[in-house]
Amino acid sequence: NAGVTQTPKFQVLKTGQSMTLQCAQDMNHEYMSWYRQDPGMGLRLIHYSVGAGITDQGEVPNGYNVSRSTTEDFPLRLLSAAPSQTSVYFCASSILAGAYNEQFFGPGTRLTVL
Amino acid sequence: SQQGEEDPQALSIQEGENATMNCSYKTSINNLQWYRQNSGRGLVHLILIRSNEREKHSGRLRVTLDTSKKSSSLLITASRAADTASYFCATARGGNQFYFGTGTSLTVIP
Repeated sequence: NAGVTQTPKFQVLKTGQSMTLQCAQDMNHEYMSWYRQDPGMGLRLIHYSVGAGITDQGEVPNGYNVSRSTTEDFPLRLLSAAPSQTSVYFCASSILAGAYNEQFFGPGTRLTVL
Repeated sequence: SQQGEEDPQALSIQEGENATMNCSYKTSINNLQWYRQNSGRGLVHLILIRSNEREKHSGRLRVTLDTSKKSSSLLITASRAADTASYFCATARGGNQFYFGTGTSLTVIP
């Protein structure tokens, strides 16, 4: 199993550009989520999904869209990139939704918005 | 707002010593989890302690939870250079939202 994969690893955008960060898992996990990690801030939840076709907002959803058309994939879309979205983005999954399950993290995407 | 705060922010010890880091949180929780992050990598799950448990062990890791004080501690015994990483606590409020602390950066000097 590849686990949780993320592409690209690095990305530079100009303000106003849009892009999609890709996340895929091959573990048949029900729950998937996106976090951003900023220095001194820890990880903050952006959006999450408890199954195909079901998504919900986390702590910092503004400026981001998600969809979950399949169990495996959970892309994160930046609609109009802003410098404040410069961060490292992590995708995570767990076998089931709910609070008692460990999360498996991808390697991250480092995004810079100029 | 963040749910958890780790203390200290940074810790430097000699190989073989024990490392203790603490996590405080603000509201009632279902469970508390600890994760490790090596530089430039994703987080890796270490241990989960449920709200009705007070202590849990896994190898060289010992986690305690005091729900009355809303705090948890992670003890790594007989540390190794490979333990150098950042350590985060994560709490689950409700069913599906997880909140991570700001992390403790541990350096183990060989």
